[in-house]
Amino acid sequence: DAKTTQPPSMDCAEGRAANLPCNHSTISGNEYVYWYRQIHSQGPQYIIHGLKNNETNEMASLIITEDRKSSTLILPHATLRDTAVYYCIVREQGAQKLVFGQGTRLTINP
Amino acid sequence: GAVVSQHPSWVICKSGTSVKIECRSLDFQATTMFWYRQFPKQSLMLMATSNEGSKATYEQGVEKDKFLINHASLTLSTLTVTSAHPEDSSFYICSARPLRDRHPYEQYFGPGTRLTVT
Repeated sequence: DAKTTQPPSMDCAEGRAANLPCNHSTISGNEYVYWYRQIHSQGPQYIIHGLKNNETNEMASLIITEDRKSSTLILPHATLRDTAVYYCIVREQGAQKLVFGQGTRLTINP
Repeated sequence: GAVVSQHPSWVICKSGTSVKIECRSLDFQATTMFWYRQFPKQSLMLMATSNEGSKATYEQGVEKDKFLINHASLTLSTLTVTSAHPEDSSFYICSARPLRDRHPYEQYFGPGTRLTVT
């Protein structure tokens, strides 16, 4: 079973920052937080991951709360191509499986 | 970045026939590949984990005799849907874990194969 809770859908205006929340209140100390997204009829795409510290790459930023019970994925300047289902996944170090929850369907509006 | 391909991208077959889907890692070696199934408007469901040179590990509720998985090399895994029925119609997605991880335990996904059984 997925260990995360995400809102089923969100809307964001093009050019604005999209902030996608994720609750993972039962996360354990050696579990990472991963974010993937799936554009319609395509395979999932890796976005970012983190353990404790905030992370940033060319696609997004990941903010993890100090107690690690929740995190936020930030797309700083959303474009129409960012419309997708975003999945927040927690996975134990050493585990191979990625268990997908229902994700958040993000719609970027012009 | 690492690229995973799937072939075919879509296939239509008649009920009772078998269909083979290929998953290839194009620019890296993968000891482990995963097969997922996704029904419309639903999330991805892991079907099985495929390790090169050994038998696949199937998730609970997935019939191993119906969904045959072969991981014959470090760059190729195949999923064969045997005696397909309309309820097997779905989007099948594979992913591959690099032999040498670029990031801890990262997986790369293929573009998916849409199977329609008539």
